[in-house]
Amino acid sequence: DGGITQSPKYLFRKEGQNVTLSCEQNLNHDAMYWYRQDPGQGLRLIYYSQIVNDFQKGDIAEGYSVSREKKESFPLTVTSAQKNPTAFYLCASSINLNTEAFFGQGTRLTVV
Amino acid sequence: GENVEQHPSTLSVQEGDSAVIKCTYSDSASNYFPWYKQELGKRPQLIIDIRSNVGEKKDQRIAVTLNKTAKHFSLHITETQPEDSAVYFCAASGAGGGNKLTFGTGTQLKVEL
Repeated sequence: DGGITQSPKYLFRKEGQNVTLSCEQNLNHDAMYWYRQDPGQGLRLIYYSQIVNDFQKGDIAEGYSVSREKKESFPLTVTSAQKNPTAFYLCASSINLNTEAFFGQGTRLTVV
Repeated sequence: GENVEQHPSTLSVQEGDSAVIKCTYSDSASNYFPWYKQELGKRPQLIIDIRSNVGEKKDQRIAVTLNKTAKHFSLHITETQPEDSAVYFCAASGAGGGNKLTFGTGTQLKVEL
């Protein structure tokens, strides 16, 4: 089954702990993205990657880190420096930056 | 960078009526304008998109119009049905701002029986 997969669907962490969200795609897409979704604020871009071994900060990168060692994978680490990490996180991929983005089902992170 | 504003934030229509959602963008270099629909608890999915070399595009009950001069684009849904109820997001990308997709804040559409 082709597509983009995020895991886990729900994640709970204690404050002060780093946590890594997984995103894998088998669509052979070059571009991948991480968005954060909060009520009333739409989709805000955290990081994006145009190609393997390259990534750029989005609009709200502070407190987050990513890697793109493989074309299929774009994990997001939410660090303890992120002041308000509780949110719904969406990963997406596209053939390139200027084409349709396909989204994963999202990970809801709750930090207590 | 690109800034996309979307209005209204909520929209309630009667079944069978039309719905219009409007977006403006700031970067004149943007050339790709998709619209996504997100049903409750689900992932956003593309419903229609338009590129800057086209002024209007239609797909059954859904249409998008683009005014490059004014830097705004709109989603039109005709003959609305209850299953159209969802959050709709507009987005823009292009040569400016690193080509990354910038989304609007979303419109909660409710189609009432």
